[in-house]
Amino acid sequence: NAGVTQTPKFQVLKTGQSMTLQCAQDMNHEYMSWYRQDPGMGLRLIHYSVGAGITDQGEVPNGYNVSRSTTEDFPLRLLSAAPSQTSVYFCASRPGGSANTGELFFGEGSRLTVL
Amino acid sequence: KNQVEQSPQSLIILEGKNCTLQCNYTVSPFSNLRWYKQDTGRGPVSLTIMTFSENTKSNGRYTATLDADTKQSSLHITASQLSDSASYICVVSAITSGTYKYIFGTGTRLKVLA
Repeated sequence: NAGVTQTPKFQVLKTGQSMTLQCAQDMNHEYMSWYRQDPGMGLRLIHYSVGAGITDQGEVPNGYNVSRSTTEDFPLRLLSAAPSQTSVYFCASRPGGSANTGELFFGEGSRLTVL
Repeated sequence: KNQVEQSPQSLIILEGKNCTLQCNYTVSPFSNLRWYKQDTGRGPVSLTIMTFSENTKSNGRYTATLDADTKQSSLHITASQLSDSASYICVVSAITSGTYKYIFGTGTRLKVLA
């Protein structure tokens, strides 16, 4: 199993550009989520999904869009990048049902710089 | 307000020495507490999980403790190695209406020197 795979690892954007961060997991996890990690702050939840076709907002959703058309994939779209979105983004997943222990499985992260 | 506070912010120790990282939380309703290890440039990986009824749990050289009365947890690292250099993140989970909510600490950055 590859686990949670994120692409790209690094990206530089100009203000106003749009892009999509990709996240795929091969563990058949129901729950998938996106976090951003900024210096001096804990991981903050952007959006999450409890299954295909179901998404919801986290604590910092503004400027980001998500969709979940399959169990495996959960892309994060930046609609019009701003310097405040410069951060490291992590995708995390976990199983549902009786297999859920609450443990999150993280990808390796995507470092985004917005100029 | 649900909060998780970790101390110290950063720590430097010599290889072979022991160290203890602290986590204080105000999270309700409490479900469990996990310690994650995050190597530089990588994603966090779970080290231990502590539930309400557990006081101590070990994972190799890592030992986590939980005092549910004082809402404090610690992560003790024994005989540190260079590979222990990483950030250690305390994460407390709350379950409301069957939905998990994760509250993350800001982490302790540990550097182990040869």
